[in-house]
Amino acid sequence: DTAVSQTPKYLVTQMGNDKSIKCEQNLGHDTMYWYKQDSKKFLKIMFSYNNKELIINETVPNRFSPKSPDKAHLNLHINSLELGDSAVYFCASTTGGWVSYNEQFFGPGTRLTVL
Amino acid sequence: GDSVTQMEGPVTLSEEAFLTINCTYTATGYPSLFWYVQYPGEGLQLLLKATKADDKGSNKGFEATYRKETTSFHLEKGSVQVSDSAVYFCALSANTGNQFYFGTGTSLTVIP
Repeated sequence: DTAVSQTPKYLVTQMGNDKSIKCEQNLGHDTMYWYKQDSKKFLKIMFSYNNKELIINETVPNRFSPKSPDKAHLNLHINSLELGDSAVYFCASTTGGWVSYNEQFFGPGTRLTVL
Repeated sequence: GDSVTQMEGPVTLSEEAFLTINCTYTATGYPSLFWYVQYPGEGLQLLLKATKADDKGSNKGFEATYRKETTSFHLEKGSVQVSDSAVYFCALSANTGNQFYFGTGTSLTVIP
C-alpha cells in the first residue's frame, strides 16, 4: 500500500491554464504539506495543514490555493499557470503535534511543466 | 529562526571511498535531526534520524551523530557504492513537530 500518493505524476500544460494536484495519505497522520522543488533540488515549503486547518502559509503567489477536505487529503490548485511554476511538487505528511521526533513521509512527486 | 546549512555539492566519489556530508543547524530548544535521501525520479525518504544530543542514527551503512556542542549532524559512510548516488538532505524538526527545515541538498555521484 502506498503511504503518500499523488496524482498525476506528470502534468504538462499551457501557460494561463488552471490545474490541480491531489494528495492522499493512508498513515492516519494529522499534518500534511506541500513543497516545491526547483531544478536545483532546493525544497521550499508552501503550505501545511493540521486536521484540515491551515497552519503554515509561506509566501507563495495567491494563484496557489490548497484545500484539505479531510485530514487524509490535501489538494493544490494552481490558477493562471506561469512558466516559473514548472517544478516538482511534493506532498508530505507527519503525525505532527507538540513533538519533534516524527519524520515526514513524502509522496513520489508531481512533475509540472508549463509550456 | 531555525535553519539548516549543509555542504554544497555536487560531490563525486569513486566506489568504496569514504563519504562525509557536513550539516550544521541553528535552533532554539531541542530539535530532532534527520537525513533524507532522494534517488533520481523519486520522492524523499528518511535515511536516518536522531532525536537528542549524542544520539547516533544509522541505516544502510550511513551514520550521523547529533552533536549539540558543535550544532552538527554530519552524514558519513565508510565505503560508498554506485547505488548510493542520490541527493541527500539534512533536516531539522522543531518542538512543534509541524515545521521542518531542510538544507539545500547535496548531490552525490559514485563512479565505478
